[in-house]
Amino acid sequence: NAGVTQTPKFQVLKTGQSMTLQCAQDMNHNSMYWYRQDPGMGLRLIYYSASEGTTDKGEVPNGYNVSRLNKREFSLRLESAAPSQTSVYFCASSRGTVRETQYFGPGTRLLVL
Amino acid sequence: DAKTTQPNSMESNEEEPVHLPCNHSTISGTDYIHWYRQLPSQGPEYVIHGLTSNVNNRMASLAIAEDRKSSTLILHRATLRDAAVYYCILLNDYKLSFGAGTTVTVRA
Repeated sequence: NAGVTQTPKFQVLKTGQSMTLQCAQDMNHNSMYWYRQDPGMGLRLIYYSASEGTTDKGEVPNGYNVSRLNKREFSLRLESAAPSQTSVYFCASSRGTVRETQYFGPGTRLLVL
Repeated sequence: DAKTTQPNSMESNEEEPVHLPCNHSTISGTDYIHWYRQLPSQGPEYVIHGLTSNVNNRMASLAIAEDRKSSTLILHRATLRDAAVYYCILLNDYKLSFGAGTTVTVRA
């Protein structure tokens, strides 16, 4: 039981390049989330998926798109990376959306030059 | 969103208890109090949560004031592995709102 896994662990991009961050969970959870954490700060929600087939914007969605590929997988795409998107990205999942404990992956460190 | 206030940092000696306070004076009746922690270079990890009554689990205890305007996370015997940033969060829907948290340092 791996929990929440994320790939890649680390990525360097040039401004304007695109990439997709992958996230998968093996806990049969319904809901999945993408957060970003800037240095010395708490996490901010980018997008979430309450259930398979649905996605909604969080606090900081601009510059990102998401896809809930199936119940296990939730990907985050940067279409045209900007230096302001340099951050650590965390994926999380929970059984449901309301007041449920969230389980986090190890994070992807992204550097945009 | 209801807000929480935590001290920026706390220090403890190994094997001693750690009491982490959290103020949440604007808490609503349906807000759950959740605690997460984040070890260096890792994702956040759930610690404990409660609504009105005190709660215990294998990691920690949560003491909730009678008026629910404050709570205290108690680590009974701190170990070096407990050095982390601890976040107190009020949860009433899906969104976890992380503030700056309390950085706990454990001295050997």
